[in-house]
Amino acid sequence: DAGVTQSPTHLIKTRGQQVTLRCSPKSGHDTVSWYQQALGQGPQFIFQYYEEEERQRGNFPDRFSGHQFPNYSSELNVNALLLGDSALYLCASSTLGTDSYNEQFFGPGTRLTVL
Amino acid sequence: QQQVKQSPQSLIVQKGGIPIINCAYENTAFDYFPWYQQFPGKGPALLIAIRPDVSEKKEGRFTISFNKSAKQFSLHIMDSQPGDSATYFCAARQVYTPLVFGKGTRLSVIA
Repeated sequence: DAGVTQSPTHLIKTRGQQVTLRCSPKSGHDTVSWYQQALGQGPQFIFQYYEEEERQRGNFPDRFSGHQFPNYSSELNVNALLLGDSALYLCASSTLGTDSYNEQFFGPGTRLTVL
Repeated sequence: QQQVKQSPQSLIVQKGGIPIINCAYENTAFDYFPWYQQFPGKGPALLIAIRPDVSEKKEGRFTISFNKSAKQFSLHIMDSQPGDSATYFCAARQVYTPLVFGKGTRLSVIA
C-alpha cells in the first residue's frame, strides 16, 4: 500500500498565477481533506471532499477550490496566487464510515513557493 | 481565534529524559484529542489519541494525560531517544468536524 501520495513535491510560482496540486488517497479511503501548513505553524483545514462534493470548508477564500474524481483522487486549485499562499499543502485521506473519529492519513505534502 | 494553544514552542532534552508538551483548548464540544509527529519533509503521522472519558492513555513510550475540567492535555515521552526529534502537534475535533491543530513543538533529543 503506497499510502497517500501527492504531486508535485515542490512547486515555484509567481504572484497572480494559478496552481493545481494533486492527491491520491490511501487504498480503501473515500474522503480527502486538504490542509495548508505555513512555516512554523500547524496545519489549517481548507476543505474536505466526499462523493465528489465539497462537504466542509475552512476559513479560506474562494481562490481555493477543489475537485474529487470518481477514483477518489483529488485536486486543489489556487487562483491569483499571493505571496502569503507560500506553504506546505497537505492532503489527508480517511473513510467517512461508521467510525466518526476515523484516522486521517497524511501525505508528504507539496511545498509551494510564490515569488 | 486560536482554539488549541500549544506550549512550549521548542524543547531540548537529553537522551533518556521525559519531554512534556502541553495543550489547552477552549471549545468544550471537542471530544477527540490526537497527537501527531512530523519529521522534516514528511506529513504528520498520528502518534496517539484520547477521548475525554479517560484521564490517561499509554502507548509504548508515549502517554497522554487529560484534564477535562482544566481543558488541558499533555504528551509525555518516556526514555526519549534522538530518533524522537521531530515536531509534535496536538489537535482537537468534534465528531464529523475538521481537526484543529496547535502551532507545534519542535523537540530535539540530544545524546
